[in-house]
Amino acid sequence: DAGITQSPRYKITETGRQVTLMCHQTWSHSYMFWYRQDLGHGLRLIYYSAAADITDKGEVPDGYVVSRSKTENFPLTLESATRSQTSVYFCASTSSTSFSYEQYFGPGTRLTVT
Amino acid sequence: AQTVTQSQPEMSVQEAETVTLSCTYDTSENNYYLFWYKQPPSRQMILVIRQEAYKQQNATENRFSVNFQKAAKSFSLKISDSQLGDTAMYFCAFLKPGTASKLTFGTGTRLQVTL
Repeated sequence: DAGITQSPRYKITETGRQVTLMCHQTWSHSYMFWYRQDLGHGLRLIYYSAAADITDKGEVPDGYVVSRSKTENFPLTLESATRSQTSVYFCASTSSTSFSYEQYFGPGTRLTVT
Repeated sequence: AQTVTQSQPEMSVQEAETVTLSCTYDTSENNYYLFWYKQPPSRQMILVIRQEAYKQQNATENRFSVNFQKAAKSFSLKISDSQLGDTAMYFCAFLKPGTASKLTFGTGTRLQVTL
């Protein structure tokens, strides 16, 4: 199906484990983003990418790693998960030629670190 | 850096009534965009309405309209004829063109529509 998808939708992991959240979009959008949503904080930008092989830090990048070898994929890795990384994670994308600047969001991944 | 403030953590409105959600922001920029996103219980983020700062006319989308006060840096969302399906978290967001389309979000307002 066309659109933006995330996997898994739910994940429980233990402290110290490595976890990778996947994001895939079918629009060939240049820009992709990872946000985390926490009560009282809204959505905060973790990392973003302007194109394949171009990534940059957002507001809260510590403890996270991203890569973007293909335009359509933007995985987020927690190298050594901590309880403070328990959150809902959203991937989003938008076109570099969009005059509306609308970002399209995936369905989110709820991650629990025990 | 830009900041977005939503001072109402929770609000409630009766069906068919009108409700206004508040949002203020802080920026030194003159050209920017403002958005309201809706997040229903399904968790999906849905764009409700968008406003371009250089446009004086307030944006409207069906039952949703904004009151954009540029000098006051205020961007409130009015929902008319509220429906049960409007129950959701609402996020105000700011974007400065040329910054890789990064959004800065407020903390959200949880709206409950009751019978």
